[in-house]
Amino acid sequence: DAGITQSPRYKITETGRQVTLMCHQTWSHSYMFWYRQDLGHGLRLIYYSAAADITDKGEVPDGYVVSRSKTENFPLTLESATRSQTSVYFCASSASGEGNTIYFGEGSWLTVV
Amino acid sequence: AQSVTQLDSHVSVSEGTPVLLRCNYSSSYSPSLFWYVQHPNKGLQLLLKYTSAATLVKGINGFEAEFKKSETSFHLTKPSAHMSDAAEYFCVVSPYNFNKFYFGSGTKLNVKP
Repeated sequence: DAGITQSPRYKITETGRQVTLMCHQTWSHSYMFWYRQDLGHGLRLIYYSAAADITDKGEVPDGYVVSRSKTENFPLTLESATRSQTSVYFCASSASGEGNTIYFGEGSWLTVV
Repeated sequence: AQSVTQLDSHVSVSEGTPVLLRCNYSSSYSPSLFWYVQHPNKGLQLLLKYTSAATLVKGINGFEAEFKKSETSFHLTKPSAHMSDAAEYFCVVSPYNFNKFYFGSGTKLNVKP
């Protein structure tokens, strides 16, 4: 039961570099999400996807790009990393329909120096 | 409109005493409600969920929550705290048949020996 796996789990990068955080789920869930978690802000939605090739912005999308060519993968790219993007990033997934639970990966700790 | 308010940002209890974490919500639709727990440097784990069945929901590790529609509340309780319960807890609402999830700001539970 692999669930959701995120990689890398820990990453240090420099300002201006491009970084991609990977997310893979084994449940064939329709919905996938990217959140960032920061002290004082709780969890904030960056992007979500309702199905392959369907993505939409969340609360804080600026500076991020997503794609979803396959149901099981939902990578998040920081095109030009900034220090304000230092955060913990969580990928999540959910089946479609009423009352479905959202399941989270273990998180990716990103530090931009 | 949907929102979730966790009434306490920090709760401190002694081991063996009851735990009460409070959550109020607003939802334009009949909601599904969830409680998640996050241990340090970990992802969010589902504790329990309410999806319009029994109003008293039992979860893992001895936690329970009661859905009270008249009070728009979904408080989390446990009769006797254990040291391992020290973590951050999130209340989450998802409107009926929508795959959108709204998070409370979290309550940090401290358990004293």
